[in-house]
This record gives sequence, structure tokens and C-alpha cells, in this order.
Amino acid sequence: GQQVMQIPQYQHVQEGEDFTTYCNSSTTLSNIQWYKQRPGGHPVFLIQLVKSGEVKKQKRLTFQFGEAKKNSSLHITATQTTDVGTYFCAGLLRNSGGSNYKLTFGKGTLLTVNP
Amino acid sequence: DTGVSQDPRHKITKRGQNVTFRCDPISEHNRLYWYRQTLGQGPEFLTYFQNEAQLEKSRLLSDRFSAERPKGSFSTLEIQRTEQGDSAMYLCASSQVKNTEAFFGQGTRLTVV
Repeated sequence: GQQVMQIPQYQHVQEGEDFTTYCNSSTTLSNIQWYKQRPGGHPVFLIQLVKSGEVKKQKRLTFQFGEAKKNSSLHITATQTTDVGTYFCAGLLRNSGGSNYKLTFGKGTLLTVNP
Repeated sequence: DTGVSQDPRHKITKRGQNVTFRCDPISEHNRLYWYRQTLGQGPEFLTYFQNEAQLEKSRLLSDRFSAERPKGSFSTLEIQRTEQGDSAMYLCASSQVKNTEAFFGQGTRLTVV
């Protein structure tokens, strides 16, 4: 079955340092989505990447989708304490007919930031 | 639009009892997902619906789990003969068919004692 792997599992940084989490899929994806879950909260959608090689930015966050549409990364520049949380990638895989698809999540990367 | 709502927020049950959870998706969303999440893990796919049709059920899901979405609106997830290993957060999410961004509810935290 489809698997989405994410590394690292944990990352602790000093405020102001950069942070990157990586996501890899065992199969080619239709799109990749990124979510953030604060402690005690539920996953909240951040962004969706669809095209091969796509790069999107949201302020200090940069998202990339690999050329083969099997891997992705999220990079945060100059982390702040408000960035604390678990970041999940989620791969969308369509079946051959294109009518059905399933969103499969990675295990996430827990980011903690020391002020 | 009040977002995705789940009920109850917390459920404590004795081993062997049946429990049922409810999810009300965003009204115009055709897709509805159920996930299970344990501490330190990502959401684990359980099942999903498009309108009232259940399109896929995880092979990891035992026959004790069943989900329905009558009339393509709200959905229920039932767990029969609960076991301690069923203790987890059960998350519901909904999305549109074309815009696949998933909106999550607050979840139902199940504790089996």
C-alpha cells in the first residue's frame, strides 16, 4: 500500500535557526499537502503542491514538490516560538480511473523552539 | 459555516462496550474521512466516503469498526466490543471533490478502561 515517510521525527532548534522537514512517498502523488498541528489541537491545512518541481512560499515557510512528485520538503527560515507544533505532509493518490483518491499522512515532525 | 464538528469530544468506556461517534462535515463537502491518531503519530487512515458511498476501508481496520454516511451528510463511526488498543483520538475531516484540502474536526478522544 501507499506509504508516506517523514523525517526527522523530532527537531529542536533555538529561536532564529532554520528548520526543514522532508517527506517521501513510495508512489507518485497527485498532490502533496502540508498540515500543522499545535499541541492539543487538530491538523490545520497549510498548503497544497500539485505540479512537478513546484515551489511555494508563505512568509517564512517554503514548500517544494520534487520533480518526480514523490518527495517534498518544508523549510522554515528564522523560526519563532509560534512555529512550535507538529508538521505533517499528506500525499494524495488517485486510482487509475481518477475518480477515487485517498489522503495518506506521514508521521509528522515535531518542532520545538527554544526562546 | 461552523466547520467540521464531532461529537462527543471525549468518551470513556469500559472494555467490551460499543461506542458511536458522530461527524458533521462542512455542508458543501462531498468527501468525508475518518482517521485515528495516537500520541506521536500521524493521522492513520480508517475510511472515507464520497457522498453516501464508502469508497475505501483500511485493511488495518477490524470488523469491529463500521462507518456510515446516510444521505451523504453526517457520518457515524461505531466500534463494537472495544479493546484497550482502541484508545486514541478519532478525527473526522471533509473536503470537496475538486479542492482536496481537508478540514479537520476537533476529534473525539476515546479512552477504553
